[in-house]
Amino acid sequence: EVQLLESGGKLVQPGGSLRLSCSATGFAFSDYAMSWVRQTPGKGLEWVSSTSASTANTYYADSVRGRFTISRHNSKNTLYLQMNNLRPEDAGVYFCAKDPKRNPVGTFEYWGPGTPVAVSS
Amino acid sequence: EIVLTQSPATLSLSPGESATLSCSASQSVRDFLAWYRQKPGQAPRLLIYDASNRATGIPARISGSGSGTEFTLTISSLEPEDFAVYYCQQRSIWPPTFGQGTKVE
Repeated sequence: EVQLLESGGKLVQPGGSLRLSCSATGFAFSDYAMSWVRQTPGKGLEWVSSTSASTANTYYADSVRGRFTISRHNSKNTLYLQMNNLRPEDAGVYFCAKDPKRNPVGTFEYWGPGTPVAVSS
Repeated sequence: EIVLTQSPATLSLSPGESATLSCSASQSVRDFLAWYRQKPGQAPRLLIYDASNRATGIPARISGSGSGTEFTLTISSLEPEDFAVYYCQQRSIWPPTFGQGTKVE
């Protein structure tokens, strides 16, 4: 059974940094692309970033490019999202999601329960 | 980016009735459209991918149709688990985008 579990969300001040983690079990993590999707009060569901299985290719939404970095540690079956220079509009629930292919195709096959991020002074 | 507009915003139905949800794209997404269901406090769950293909474990009473700019999700004989919010999402043109959701209550 595919299981994804995010962690690392918390309250941070504007301009602060945070690293989210997503632990994966139940499938061959190193064979699949992975993504982060967030749900915010302002924009609803919003794709944030994706990485290919090998990390050779990474993709970002315009709203986070230059501030967020997606990475993965395949031997630890873990996906990460490093978030810098956080803004109030970045607040929401962050989900990690599994793609059905080695390269991101934009289908979010399985999701974790999410981790909440709050950005406020 | 492609804008997806879902209608209606809310659908009020009873168990056993059928639901028809619509999703309209601002430009053609071919058949690269998915549907997700989200219950309160939970993550979205993939129901339909590429317009009409049911995801693993999704029953046959849930079906998707359409292509280009107009898509439909049909749920026949609503069960208690079907009362939730439904989102469409396109992957035809990067970045992937989601609709604003339809609540089935």
